[in-house]
Amino acid sequence: DVKVTQSSRYLVKRTGEKVFLECVQDMDHENMFWYRQDPGLGLRLIYFSYDVKMKEKGDIPEGYSVSREKKERFSLILESASTNQTSMYLCASDRGGAGPKWADTQYFGPGTRLTVL
Amino acid sequence: AQKITQTQPGMFVQEKEAVTLDCTYDTSDPSYGLFWYKQPSSGEMIFLIYQGSYDQQNATEGRYSLNFQKARKSANLVISASQLGDSAMYFCAMRETRSGGSNYKLTFGKGTLLTVNP
Repeated sequence: DVKVTQSSRYLVKRTGEKVFLECVQDMDHENMFWYRQDPGLGLRLIYFSYDVKMKEKGDIPEGYSVSREKKERFSLILESASTNQTSMYLCASDRGGAGPKWADTQYFGPGTRLTVL
Repeated sequence: AQKITQTQPGMFVQEKEAVTLDCTYDTSDPSYGLFWYKQPSSGEMIFLIYQGSYDQQNATEGRYSLNFQKARKSANLVISASQLGDSAMYFCAMRETRSGGSNYKLTFGKGTLLTVNP
């Protein structure tokens, strides 16, 4: 079974703090993703990575950065947290590599509920 | 226009009965994948079932089946013999074929909240 873990289920931070959200997958997946989920807005892609040290912006990258130093680990960084970044953050991974990308299943972690005060 | 439309914000079903959750999609790509996920109140997004655009038969996975009608662009999820543990949000999602980075993305619908009554 695919296992995607996230470092925290709940996190409370103050405005202006630097926040790190960590995600680890154990299936040797090429691709990893960070989404945020907000009521009424659904899931939106923040960033994704298709290889170590490779990243691409998603739909809403402003205010975020990412790091992928090892294949199994993908970090989301809020450089200076703001209240509008209070949200549920979901990490996902998929097999990637050769083959049709539209057929790849993304597997999600348990999510991190971040509150910025 | 929305890529994925789930018209039922909420659904109720009696335990042991079957329920259908609706999903319509919009794409001009010939190759795409359709996915259903379950999200309980705990927050984790759990993969349920996948249907490819070229698949001739409807996908099935245990109590879950996907009623795929390509010409109508619909991919409804059918849950048979509902259980109390099926109470959750259900999301339909699509992955398309595009050049560049955007083909990596899953596009989600807004979800349907299913409540199973005893």
